[in-house]
Amino acid sequence: QVTLKESGPTLVKPTQTLTLTCTFSGFSLTTSGVAVGWIRQPPGKALDWLALIYWDDYKHYSPSLKNRLTITKDTSKNQVVLTMTNMDPVDTATYYCAHLTSYYENSSYYPDAFDIWGQGTMVTVSS
Amino acid sequence: SYELTQPPSVSVSPRQTASITCSGDKLGDKYVWWYQQKPGQSPVLVIYQNTKRPSGIPERFSGSNSGNTATLTISGTQAMDEADYYCQTWDSTTGIFGGGTKLTVL
Repeated sequence: QVTLKESGPTLVKPTQTLTLTCTFSGFSLTTSGVAVGWIRQPPGKALDWLALIYWDDYKHYSPSLKNRLTITKDTSKNQVVLTMTNMDPVDTATYYCAHLTSYYENSSYYPDAFDIWGQGTMVTVSS
Repeated sequence: SYELTQPPSVSVSPRQTASITCSGDKLGDKYVWWYQQKPGQSPVLVIYQNTKRPSGIPERFSGSNSGNTATLTISGTQAMDEADYYCQTWDSTTGIFGGGTKLTVL
């Protein structure tokens, strides 16, 4: 059974750096085609894709946030860590991590579905 | 940057068919995924690769994608289907979500 759980601070001050950890079980981030992504959702608003890390350590970031985001993995701990610098009140949101499948076509892997999501963690940015 | 557009809200009577659209430039050339999110809960995948249903998703959920529009169809809508629905695609390696549609079952 695949599960993911986000952890981190519930409150950060403006300009601080946010560090969130996704701890997962039921799969390995060393398996070909597997990835973990981060998605956030401001209160009452839509989902917003942030970043992705693949089993082979390829990383992809939201173009609008790429200068502020870093995603890393620790396969020995079954964890993925997302850091976001220079936090602002507009970054107040529920942050989700999710398991991403891939499909294989023409000798390449392509991102597929966020098939299992964590419960999310609410982060408020306020002084 | 690529954008997906959804109607903010759709209403449907119980047991009727609900259609939720998702529009984007040449969207039919891409795969589309659909997620259901109920209040206070995490999103749940209901359709992947345009038309496929994950195990455990009722057969009343179906999807299509052609031209500039993808559609999530819920046949025989039930009260439990009331939720927000989000379409999603990949623009190369960038994940794109639509703005979401609130489905109300009247």
